[in-house]
Amino acid sequence: GAVVSQHPSWVICKSGTSVKIECRSLDFQATTMFWYRQFPKKSLMLMATSNEGSKATYEQGVEKDKFLINHASLTLSTLTVTSAHPEDSSFYICSALDRNEQFFGPGTRLTVL
Amino acid sequence: QKEVEQDPGPLSVPEGAIVSLNCTYSNSAFQYFMWYRQYSRKGPELLMYTYSSGNKEDGRFTAQVDKSSKYISLFIRDSQPSDSATYLCAMNDQGAQKLVFGQGTRLTINP
Repeated sequence: GAVVSQHPSWVICKSGTSVKIECRSLDFQATTMFWYRQFPKKSLMLMATSNEGSKATYEQGVEKDKFLINHASLTLSTLTVTSAHPEDSSFYICSALDRNEQFFGPGTRLTVL
Repeated sequence: QKEVEQDPGPLSVPEGAIVSLNCTYSNSAFQYFMWYRQYSRKGPELLMYTYSSGNKEDGRFTAQVDKSSKYISLFIRDSQPSDSATYLCAMNDQGAQKLVFGQGTRLTINP
């Protein structure tokens, strides 16, 4: 199956700083990628749909100015958590759409102190 | 009411047992049904993909969809300790776009 990578796999930052997470499709091109958030022992919550070359579509309740998404190429989407606060600590997972299947990255654990 | 309901468990069974995992849903428009397996601190990986009603078998895994009851199941035969993970059901009416996930069931297979 197709491979999706995320970087970094974990990050710890101070409150008020910004953190960028990269999502790459390694062996296929993805015009559509998705960003999810997952709290401990909870399901994946879709944050936004990222389309190459256009603005991301955010789900209701997700602050687009706080979670900046850029999908500048067919193999890379980035999520930037701006002015991070402890409540933003979570597991962030991306996926990339290849034909009719979503392939998920390994996730990024963000801890904001 | 959540769109997709899944018992979070935890579920613990002995090695070799048959495992049954289930989800119910409320949106009758859903036609695409998936089961994902997620190991701790990893991303989900697709196990089974089913369109509309019926059964689908792949090795030790069988997926069933009953649209009339809005109920889907995943069966694992001859369960192995390596099957210990969280299993998430997911579904929608648009193929792989904008999946709606269940809460996930944490499964442990005891040697």
